[in-house]
Amino acid sequence: DIQMTQSPSSLSASVGDRVTITCRAGQNINKYLNWYQQKPGKAPELLIYGASTLQTGVPSRFSGSGSGTDFTLTISGLQPEDFATYYCQQSSSAVMYTFGQGTKLEIK
Amino acid sequence: QITLKESGPALVKPTQTLTLTCTFSGFSLSTSAVAVGWIRQPPGKALEWLAHVYGNDNKYYSLSLRTRLTITKDTPKNQVVLTLTNLDPVDTGTYYCAHLSGVRWYMYDYWGQGTLVTVSS
Repeated sequence: DIQMTQSPSSLSASVGDRVTITCRAGQNINKYLNWYQQKPGKAPELLIYGASTLQTGVPSRFSGSGSGTDFTLTISGLQPEDFATYYCQQSSSAVMYTFGQGTKLEIK
Repeated sequence: QITLKESGPALVKPTQTLTLTCTFSGFSLSTSAVAVGWIRQPPGKALEWLAHVYGNDNKYYSLSLRTRLTITKDTPKNQVVLTLTNLDPVDTGTYYCAHLSGVRWYMYDYWGQGTLVTVSS
């Protein structure tokens, strides 16, 4: 399995802040990296695929970058509804996928 | 409109076998570009990918659970079934099924609401 390591595991920020979450793959995954947002008691929702492409309907304050082994999710201008847990997921082989351990974004 | 819904028992005993069904609509699981996957989440913990099956019936499993997992599809019924054998309390969690879109990129773009399974005697 390809290991995915997210950092930080938790993060406190204020409305309006810019935050960055990182995800590192255990081996080169090209740009096969997805980001999901999960709110308490809800299923995850796809935010970004292919490392940097916004899913339809996702606000433009979300952005993703990276390739190879290092990736980032940036939220510019945090909104109250953005406080949630974020997961990265690799899909490099179309065979076996793995998720990161998650980053919980909390209100400061 | 793509929708998925999980169904199965809420409570199972240790050593028993869990059978979960994902019933979906809005797409056909009949091409190699589409799959349905299962992902679980223990209470308060991270997502864990379990398995997925493509429309061409190719199946893939988590390495750590592959000896206990079986995934099958019933294309006419629009269902995917996951079985997990020899249950243990650590298998407690919410189980999600999801639609995998796999043309250029591979991502779970539609999810079911999840079903909570508790393993306890």
